[in-house]
Amino acid sequence: GAVVSQHPSRVICKSGTSVKIECRSLDFQATTMFWYRQFPKQSLMLMATSNEGSKATYEQGVEKDKFLINHASLTLSTLTVTSAHPEDSSFYICSARGQEAGPYEQYFGPGTRLTVT
Amino acid sequence: AQSVTQLGSHVSVSEGALVLLRCNYSSSVPPYLFWYVQYPNQGLQLLLKYTTGATLVKGINGFEAEFKKSETSFHLTKPSAHMSDAAEYFCAVSGRNNRLAFGKGNQVVVIP
Repeated sequence: GAVVSQHPSRVICKSGTSVKIECRSLDFQATTMFWYRQFPKQSLMLMATSNEGSKATYEQGVEKDKFLINHASLTLSTLTVTSAHPEDSSFYICSARGQEAGPYEQYFGPGTRLTVT
Repeated sequence: AQSVTQLGSHVSVSEGALVLLRCNYSSSVPPYLFWYVQYPNQGLQLLLKYTTGATLVKGINGFEAEFKKSETSFHLTKPSAHMSDAAEYFCAVSGRNNRLAFGKGNQVVVIP
C-alpha cells in the first residue's frame, strides 16, 4: 500500500517552454502533497506544500508564478514549470500524506528528471 | 524550525563491517526523526522512523537507529554491510507541521 507515482520519469524540454509533472497517489487519498527539488549530489529542498482544493504554500525563495502547483483531487497533484530555463534542470520529487496517516507519514514518488536545453 | 546535520558526505565501509551514519538534529519541539535511502535516479524509501516510545528503532534491511534526546542524535547503524547497501542515506526531522527538513546525505560506498 501507499504507492505514489510520478509521470514522466524523465523529460527534456527546450528553454522557454513549459512542462507539467504529475504526482499520483495510487491506493490512498492524499490530503497533502509536497514537492521537493534535488540538485545533483545534494539534499532535497522543499518547494511547496499543497492541500487538496487549496492554494499551495510555497517555501521562501520559490517563485510561485514559475512553479505552478495544482492539487485538484485527492489523488493527483501537478507541478508545472513555466518558461523553463537550464537552471531549472533538476530532479523533482513529490510526496503524499493521506487522511489515515499519522502526522509523520509521507510517501515518496520515484522522482522526475527534468533537463532543459 | 528544524534542521539536521549529517557529517561526511562520503562514507566507505568494507563488506561485512559495521555501518555507522551520524545524524544530529535541532528542533524546537519534540521531533519526529527519519532515515531514508535513495538509490540512483529513484525516490526515497523509508528505512525507519522514531515518533514516540522506544528509543531504539529497527527498520528494514537490518538497519536500526537510536534516539538520544540528551545528545540530539539519531545515528543509523547496521552490524554488517552488504554490497546492496551502497546508496545515499538521508536523515530528516519533522515537527508538528509535517514539513520534513533533510540533512545533506551520506553516500555509502561498500568495498568488497
